[in-house]
Amino acid sequence: AQSVTQLDSQVPVFEEAPVELRCNYSSSVSVYLFWYVQYPNQGLQLLLKYLSGSTLVKGINGFEAEFNKSQTSFHLRKPSVHISDTAEYFCAVSVPPAGRRALTFGSGTRLQVQP
Amino acid sequence: DVKVTQSSRYLVKRTGEKVFLECVQDMDHENMFWYRQDPGLGLRLIYFSYDVKMKEKGDIPEGYSVSREKKERFSLILESASTNQTSMYLCASRLTGVNTEAFFGQGTRLTVV
Repeated sequence: AQSVTQLDSQVPVFEEAPVELRCNYSSSVSVYLFWYVQYPNQGLQLLLKYLSGSTLVKGINGFEAEFNKSQTSFHLRKPSVHISDTAEYFCAVSVPPAGRRALTFGSGTRLQVQP
Repeated sequence: DVKVTQSSRYLVKRTGEKVFLECVQDMDHENMFWYRQDPGLGLRLIYFSYDVKMKEKGDIPEGYSVSREKKERFSLILESASTNQTSMYLCASRLTGVNTEAFFGQGTRLTVV
């Protein structure tokens, strides 16, 4: 069975600093990977997704993620964060075959951007 | 704009009550899901449905049931609410396909007192 591990439950960072949120997955087959963001008291919205092709994926709000198959990682990065990036971030995986139709989510990382 | 709509943002119910959480999507997606979100535990799948009247248990189905009478609507039912079901509940929908994303509703924060 596949699983997703987000290594940091909380990441405090100062405004305009770079940030990396870490995600590792376990699967013996090819995977499709997603990052979602959840602002306070809201649902989840898609930041970016890796399906195939280039291992560097660009998403909304200046975020990007790099798929590393050998390290089974899909870390999320932003070169300069804003106060408005304060939110919870979830990594998720989808694994063929599609018998399990739901995405599997990590436990989330709370990004706290301080002025 | 694609949309998943949950009927309530906040609910307060008493222990033992039967609780209905409703979710509607307008994207003609085959698959719909109910997740529960608790601090430090991420999103845990309660039930999902891949077609009208079809359902499958997720990882934590105990104490819950679901209903899908129409393609666009998926209901989560707490047969007898308990305090340990106080949580954020998220509905999602998704096209069939391993490379498709899920779309989420705004969430329902349920408090059982």
